Parts: sequence; C-alpha cells; structure tokens
Amino acid sequence: QKEVEQNSGPLSVPEGAIASLNCTYSDRGSQSFFWYRQYSGKSPELIMSIYSNGDKEDGRFTAQLNKASQYVSLLIRDSQPSDSATYLCAVHVNAGGTSYGKLTFGQGTILTVHP
Amino acid sequence: DTEVTQTPKHLVMGMTNKKSLKCEQHMGHRAMYWYKQKAKKPPELMFVYSYEKLSINESVPSRFSPECPNSSLLNLHLHALQPEDSALYLCASSQDSWDRGSNTEAFFGQGTRLTVV
Repeated sequence: QKEVEQNSGPLSVPEGAIASLNCTYSDRGSQSFFWYRQYSGKSPELIMSIYSNGDKEDGRFTAQLNKASQYVSLLIRDSQPSDSATYLCAVHVNAGGTSYGKLTFGQGTILTVHP
Repeated sequence: DTEVTQTPKHLVMGMTNKKSLKCEQHMGHRAMYWYKQKAKKPPELMFVYSYEKLSINESVPSRFSPECPNSSLLNLHLHALQPEDSALYLCASSQDSWDRGSNTEAFFGQGTRLTVV
C-alpha cells in the first residue's frame, strides 16, 4: 500500500461545477495534511493545510479531514478554467525509526475545468 | 511573504561538469528541503536541513552534495551527474522542522530545471 494515494483521475468538470479530489493515507499517526496545486511546468503552490477532523474553508476551497477513515479531500466550488492543474495531496508520514514525519506526496490528480 | 528563491532557473550541464544550485529564503524558516521531481511524477524528498544541520538524507547518491551555509541559504552541489538525473529540482522551507514543531507548512521555490547531457 502506498503511503499517500489519490484518486487517479484525470478529472474533468464543467465551469461552475464542484470538483472533488480525494486522498487516503496509510500512517494512522499522521497529524498534518496539505493540498498543493501545480500548474504545468511550475512548482507546487500550497493552497490548504488541515490538522483537525472536520472541514476547513478558504474561499472556494474546502478541505475535509477524517482521521478515523484516514481520508482527506479537497472540494473546489464554482470551478474556473484557471483551476485546471495537478492537485497534490501531501501528508506528514512517520519516517521509520524516527519520532517525526516527512512530507510525502500522492501521485497527484489532474483537474481540467472546461468552459 | 512566502518567497523562496532558486537560481538558476534552467541549467544544462555535461556529465563531467561541476555545478551548484542555490536556494534562499528570508522568512526566518528553520527547516529547508531539497526535492526532485520527474515529469508527471510527484516531488521526491532528497534532503532535509533542520536548524542548519542535515537531518534526513533519503539515500541520495553522493554525486549530489547538499550544503547549508547559514539559516537563509541552501546549496546543492552537483558532480558527475547522469542523464537520468535530469529533472526539476525544488527547494522548500518551513517555519519549524518536522521534529521540533507543528508549523510545518512547506513553501516551494520556482525550481531549477536541470538537463544533463
């Protein structure tokens, strides 16, 4: 089992729709969870961080965390063509034999928002 | 300000060359990282510096040599690279290191696109 897994995509949604991106992780002790957006040829940009169970909203973005199910998701409301990018889920996974985790990325989900 | 600056943006080097990648941040962050990203793949961790000391080396070949001269600077020295080392090299920083604090949001620089010929 991969440490961080994302729904494989690619995901295509019409402009104005809700895009739903999902991620599961294997380390039950993980405490920190992040979503990054990466445009083609660019570096990852942090868009959301979440540490507690429940929802966290920032503008059109909502991150959801369920530690019991080891599941984190990102909802993008009113999707725009400019949201078209690869979305990377990142989790602090315990670095074996140490007391701390290392930031580990899922494979990414390519999102396309079409007009 | 969440700026991490990397230079150069692009680098082409031969397999016998020696070059260095540079990374700078002025946010007072105490942890800095090197990641490598191949096309259509996620970033892969290479090194972690925590309070200017190397804390994680992800079994990276010795042809990659990191250096942290001070809390704002991180270098990656390259020597005798192979064509398969061609990739986007990303530097990131976070306020706290993963073993010391909870504020571990990592911010990435724009990357150096390296081509080994």
